Amino acid sequence: NAGVMQNPRHLVRRRGQEARLRCSPMKGHSHVYWYRQLPEEGLKFMVYLQKENIIDESGMPKERFSAEFPKEGPSILRIQQVVRGDSAAYFCASSPTGELFFGEGSRLTVL
Amino acid sequence: RKEVEQDPGPFNVPEGATVAFNCTYSNSASQSFFWYRQDCRKEPKLLMSVYSSGNEDGRFTAQLNRASQYISLLIRDSKLSDSATYLCVVNAPRKLIFGQGTELSVKP
Repeated sequence: NAGVMQNPRHLVRRRGQEARLRCSPMKGHSHVYWYRQLPEEGLKFMVYLQKENIIDESGMPKERFSAEFPKEGPSILRIQQVVRGDSAAYFCASSPTGELFFGEGSRLTVL
Repeated sequence: RKEVEQDPGPFNVPEGATVAFNCTYSNSASQSFFWYRQDCRKEPKLLMSVYSSGNEDGRFTAQLNRASQYISLLIRDSKLSDSATYLCVVNAPRKLIFGQGTELSVKP
């Protein structure tokens, strides 16, 4: 009865590198949400995906960020050419209907 | 105006105290409301849903006032283990919007 699984739990990148964060939703859930929590701030919605579809990406920065949820495999949040301001906790959540269940998060540190 | 606005914290209370958190939301079309709890910036965990008629779960009581677009959480007989950040959450089309959170610290 695994919950939402995220990896890596911690990721260190140098400026300009790429970060890939993975999320597998709870069994039976086909909706995935990504949220970002900057230091000392609240959770901000980034993107909502279903299998092979981006439903709402209104919270995604216009550049360098992309997300996918392929037919097979986990959802991936990709950050290209990372900058120090990308350092944050990235939480993935899945939902049967309504409430969200979160993974433990991936903490990205950009040096 | 923020979509979801919470009382600023932190709230420092002694064990056994009753504490209330308030939250307002801007979207009158919102239909689903929740309180989440976040410990030390770990993953948020669902504390309780908030129903129109108000609902109670042990020491926790949630209220909703649709006319005023206002949600509250009351914690009675607070325990040391209640120390956490409490997040007010409101649905918007295709997403849930989180408030900034209110930090609670319960002291012995």
